[in-house]
Amino acid sequence: DAGVTQSPTHLIKTRGQQVTLRCSPISGHKSVSWYQQVLGQGPQFIFQYYEKEERGRGNFPDRFSARQFPNYSSELNVNALLLGDSALYLCASSLPSRAGAGELFFGEGSRLTVL
Amino acid sequence: TQLLEQSPQFLSIQEGENLTVYCNSSSVFSSLQWYRQEPGEGPVLLVTVVTGGEVKKLKRLTFQFGDARKDSSLHITAAQTGDTGLYLCAGVESRSTDKLIFGTGTRLQVFP
Repeated sequence: DAGVTQSPTHLIKTRGQQVTLRCSPISGHKSVSWYQQVLGQGPQFIFQYYEKEERGRGNFPDRFSARQFPNYSSELNVNALLLGDSALYLCASSLPSRAGAGELFFGEGSRLTVL
Repeated sequence: TQLLEQSPQFLSIQEGENLTVYCNSSSVFSSLQWYRQEPGEGPVLLVTVVTGGEVKKLKRLTFQFGDARKDSSLHITAAQTGDTGLYLCAGVESRSTDKLIFGTGTRLQVFP
């Protein structure tokens, strides 16, 4: 069975540009979460979507937005990129039967470099 | 803002040695998880501890949740080179979201 897949795996952008990252959850998983992992630190929660509705939002500026599609895949958008947005962006999916955090399955991440 | 501090930040040991990683917070969590992350990959869940004082064993790894559900420890017995990686603790803030508060991480290097 396929795990969580993310694309692109690596990308380079310049300051002020916009980026869209994509995530396909494990088949049958209806919840998708996004995390930002800056080099040398633990991941930080950005968003969670469950059944296409936002369930949680972390302490990130409005430049960060996300959505979930009917097939439960998700996109994370970041506008007006800053150097500090350089990070590994992780997507995680979880089983639909739980109401909250249980086992999260993470993808390999999208490595974003902002120059 | 809830914070999880891990110690040590870096650990370099030889095969066969024992080690303990600590995860501390001033906040109470409904449960706490431990993940291992290898270079180029996402974190992989090792264990979830829920009850204060709970101890769980996973082969050579022993996980403990503090009585007050504010801290946790991971003990590895007879470390192997395959244990090398970044160990992350993560507090479950609420049962209603998948929001995890991750610790600062402990990078473990096990040499043969």
